[in-house]
Amino acid sequence: GAGVSQTPSNKVTEKGKDVELRCDPISGHTALYWYRQSLGQGLEFLIYFQGNSAPDKSGLPSDRFSAERTGGSVSTLKIQRTERGDSAVYLCASSLTGLDGDTQYFGPGTRLTVL
Amino acid sequence: QKEVEQNSGPLSVPEGAIASLNCTYSDRGSQSFFWYRQYSGKSPELIMSIYSNGDKEDGRFTAQLNKASQYVSLLIRDSQPSDSATYLCAVNGESGTYKYIFGTGTRLKVLA
Repeated sequence: GAGVSQTPSNKVTEKGKDVELRCDPISGHTALYWYRQSLGQGLEFLIYFQGNSAPDKSGLPSDRFSAERTGGSVSTLKIQRTERGDSAVYLCASSLTGLDGDTQYFGPGTRLTVL
Repeated sequence: QKEVEQNSGPLSVPEGAIASLNCTYSDRGSQSFFWYRQYSGKSPELIMSIYSNGDKEDGRFTAQLNKASQYVSLLIRDSQPSDSATYLCAVNGESGTYKYIFGTGTRLKVLA
């Protein structure tokens, strides 16, 4: 596809359930990023992938959060035992190389609501 | 803690005026700077990138960078109601790395 895509666009779940969010980066982009944006807040960095490796997981809020990337392409962000505080828009971005100065292109986001 | 600061606004300007958006950053080693526009309920989209001191112009948009004073600004000339959005400043958090730090954004309202 031409841009970054994310599914689902909206996810409503109950507290305690697990969720999986998917990101398809721009074809050929080696770097992939996950961010979280709470209402009225800036973007909170979660994790960065270079190829299939995640050299920086420092932004993951707790061990309930995990992510993987396969084939240097699709990435999945998993949240276990969701809490109401996990409600936010989860944004995925990709860039060509991941190097300094590289532009990050964002997907449309997944709006997660935990009831 | 490396930070990127923006006035949250809203910044209200009349149609046709110049809108000036400012951003300051704490890391003197930062080399890459970006302005993203985010419409309500949408994802951020890149407006401008700037890497060297001075001005960079693209259509109605001008980015200004002053590394000595650690600020980057975005000027929007002939502001239009369609420019009403939140503008996010992003700064490379560590020189030579991918890690960008985003400000919380300035909400711009262009009044018709």
